[in-house]
Amino acid sequence: ELKVEQNPLFLSMQEGKNYTIYCNYSTTSDRLYWYRQDPGKSLESLFVLLSNGAVKQEGRLMASLDTKARLSTLHITAAVHDLSATYFCAVDSGNQFYFGTGTSLTVIP
Amino acid sequence: NAGVTQTPKFQVLKTGQSMTLQCAQDMNHEYMSWYRQDPGMGLRLIHYSVGAGITDQGEVPNGYNVSRSTTEDFPLRLLSAAPSQTSVYFCASSYVRESEAFFGQGTRLTVV
Repeated sequence: ELKVEQNPLFLSMQEGKNYTIYCNYSTTSDRLYWYRQDPGKSLESLFVLLSNGAVKQEGRLMASLDTKARLSTLHITAAVHDLSATYFCAVDSGNQFYFGTGTSLTVIP
Repeated sequence: NAGVTQTPKFQVLKTGQSMTLQCAQDMNHEYMSWYRQDPGMGLRLIHYSVGAGITDQGEVPNGYNVSRSTTEDFPLRLLSAAPSQTSVYFCASSYVRESEAFFGQGTRLTVV
């Protein structure tokens, strides 16, 4: 069974600071996805990473994928309150998607 | 565009009842899937479909059936509801499996 681990599970950070969320997975895959979920809402796609070394950036968020290390990172630059949400990574393996348990991010003014 | 539409938004069932959660997308996406989201467990894949007439099981398929008679619709059937099926259910679609996924608004199901 594929395992996807995110850390930290909870993150409280001040506005303007930088931080990284990590996503480790237990089997070979070169496709990884990041999603955002606001409380009580649905999921919104942030990034689709489809190869080793893939890096994508959107605003204050940057995601990367290292398939050899089985690791993806979501880096937050100069956090703002609007980034408060839960962030999920998901791994595509064998026609199925496996999600991490999520990182709940709170950005404090 | 409506995107991915799920109905109902909320549902309460008694143990043993059956029901169908509806999911429709208007983006001509081939790949559709159903997930359940439980506290502290992220999302888990129930069933998925790579195109009309083709379905397969995900990580947690027991107690659920699906069919895909058209590209647009992918209903999820609960055969005999159990309290363990209390959860939030999300339907998602993407052009192909590797593409960006679009999620419906979710159905909050309570089985008593």
